[in-house]
Amino acid sequence: AQSVTQLDSHVSVSEGTPVLLRCNYSSSYSPSLFWYVQHPNKGLQLLLKYTSAATLVKGINGFEAEFKKSETSFHLTKPSAHMSDAAEYFCVVSDPNNAGNMLTFGGGTRLMVKP
Amino acid sequence: NAGVTQTPKFQVLKTGQSMTLQCAQDMNHEYMSWYRQDPGMGLRLIHYSVGAGITDQGEVPNGYNVSRSTTEDFPLRLLSAAPSQTSVYFCASSRGTGGQGNTIYFGEGSWLTVV
Repeated sequence: AQSVTQLDSHVSVSEGTPVLLRCNYSSSYSPSLFWYVQHPNKGLQLLLKYTSAATLVKGINGFEAEFKKSETSFHLTKPSAHMSDAAEYFCVVSDPNNAGNMLTFGGGTRLMVKP
Repeated sequence: NAGVTQTPKFQVLKTGQSMTLQCAQDMNHEYMSWYRQDPGMGLRLIHYSVGAGITDQGEVPNGYNVSRSTTEDFPLRLLSAAPSQTSVYFCASSRGTGGQGNTIYFGEGSWLTVV
């Protein structure tokens, strides 16, 4: 079985400061991991994905995430927050053996960026 | 670049009414899915399809019906709407499974309120 825990439901940062959104996962296999962003009243946009290649994954808009198997973590970071980064972020896990392409979502982290 | 298109974007239903949420993709993807999003719970899988003529249940299938007569279309039917089905619905498509590292593309969502 697979599961995802996003450790913070809300994160508030000032513009120009670093962003850290934390995600821990549980999986019986070597999963694929994703981060998606959702702006208000919009669909989900893929930020980045990990698929058992390099453990440090670079995504769009300056975001990156590091896969740490020993810690079962996949935290999302960005060196300098921008006002446009304010949105909800979802960490997602998918096992390679699940038949239905089931994605398991974390509960989401709402990122607020203060001017 | 249409991607995944959902209609309608907003709908209000009365308890007991039926309706169909439409989903179409133009990327020739085999895999399509329907998710619902509820506050603090991320997205949960309702039904999925791995190709035309093949559908199966996800995590929360009760009260919903699907069919897949073509590769492009994957409609979701609410048989007799209940207030518990008030949610935001997302359709998704992909070439293969997320567990194998395929990117999952999401529509912009359908906001459904059942009164």
